[in-house]
Amino acid sequence: DAGITQSPRYKITETGRQVTLMCHQTWSHSYMFWYRQDLGHGLRLIYYSAAADITDKGEVPDGYVVSRSKTENFPLTLESATRSQTSVYFCASRGGTENTEAFFGQGTRLTVV
Amino acid sequence: GQQVMQIPQYQHVQEGEDFTTYCNSSTTLSNIQWYKQRPGGHPVFLIQLVKSGEVKKQKRLTFQFGEAKKNSSLHITATQTTDVGTYFCTQKAAGNKLTFGGGTRVLVKP
Repeated sequence: DAGITQSPRYKITETGRQVTLMCHQTWSHSYMFWYRQDLGHGLRLIYYSAAADITDKGEVPDGYVVSRSKTENFPLTLESATRSQTSVYFCASRGGTENTEAFFGQGTRLTVV
Repeated sequence: GQQVMQIPQYQHVQEGEDFTTYCNSSTTLSNIQWYKQRPGGHPVFLIQLVKSGEVKKQKRLTFQFGEAKKNSSLHITATQTTDVGTYFCTQKAAGNKLTFGGGTRVLVKP
């Protein structure tokens, strides 16, 4: 199906482990974004990408790594998970022009124990 | 940090009443977008405003962009339980970052 999908939807991991959250979109959108949403907080931008092989930091990038070798995929890796990274993670994509809407994935609920 | 501020952070509304939520920026915005996130869901695009003073309506929702393009408002009339959720405004920041305000969480009392 066309759209933007995240996997897994739910993940429990232990402190110190590496974990990768996947994001895949089928529209060939130029821009992709990763956000985290914590209880009582809004959406905070972690990293974003303007195109394949172009990524940049957002508001809260520490502890995260991204890559974008293909336009349709934008994985987010927590190199050594900490409890403070327990959150709901949303991936989003949008087209290349300024006045376009962003489409969000269903989210990944990550718990670090 | 965030450059758009949303107020109020929480809004408890009696069903049938009207309310307004505001989005304020310290800088001039090229455009502003509004999204709605239902409880347990993901943000969904509602509308985009581009022109100074622009007003757009979607049924019971009225969106306005300020004359100076530094603020925006969302007014909902005759609130229904389906309006429950968090409403976010966004701005396209430098380098095409898409950052969000803190959101207004709307709770409806039946």
